[in-house]
Amino acid sequence: AQSVAQPEDQVNVAEGNPLTVKCTYSVSGNPYLFWYVQYPNRGLQFLLKYITGDNLVKGSYGFEAEFNKSQTSFHLKKPSALVSDSALYFCAVRGEGATNKLIFGTGTLLAVQP
Amino acid sequence: NAGVMQNPRHLVRRRGQEARLRCSPMKGHSHVYWYRQLPEEGLKFMVYLQKENIIDESGMPKERFSAEFPKEGPSILRIQQVVRGDSAAYFCASSPVSNGQETQYFGPGTRLLVL
Repeated sequence: AQSVAQPEDQVNVAEGNPLTVKCTYSVSGNPYLFWYVQYPNRGLQFLLKYITGDNLVKGSYGFEAEFNKSQTSFHLKKPSALVSDSALYFCAVRGEGATNKLIFGTGTLLAVQP
Repeated sequence: NAGVMQNPRHLVRRRGQEARLRCSPMKGHSHVYWYRQLPEEGLKFMVYLQKENIIDESGMPKERFSAEFPKEGPSILRIQQVVRGDSAAYFCASSPVSNGQETQYFGPGTRLLVL
């Protein structure tokens, strides 16, 4: 069965420092991977996705993610964190078979300190 | 281009009442997905619909929950005889196609509180 793990409930980083939010996945076929961000009392906003091609995917707001097949990881990164990046981040993988449901991780709260 | 619209944004119901949640997909999108987010948890898939068809309802509770996406109008998630455990944020997402590679765009959610 497809699954996604986000091993860190919370990540703390100082403004201006690089940030990494970790995600590992388990799939039986080719993985389709997504990152979303959720601000308080808001819906999810799409950041980026990996379907195929380059392992480094660039997305919105300066975020990027690196697909690593051997480590089954898809970590989210940003070279320089902003206080406004503080939010809840979700990694997701597309479900297998004919369904197109997304299977989400439990989320990682990113706190960027000024 | 307006995003995914959901209403109401907040809904309060007493135990035993019915809750109706509405979702209007983005213009040009004919695929709708409903997810539920329980407090302190991630999103869980509930149901996937195309116009007039339920494609996958594997995440729907067996009783009291139903969903539809009529030819005209918004998609509706209906919860009958609500219980306190139904209190959650319900999110709708839409996509223009359904090939596995598409991006699902999410609405702002409906936060249901059952008293």
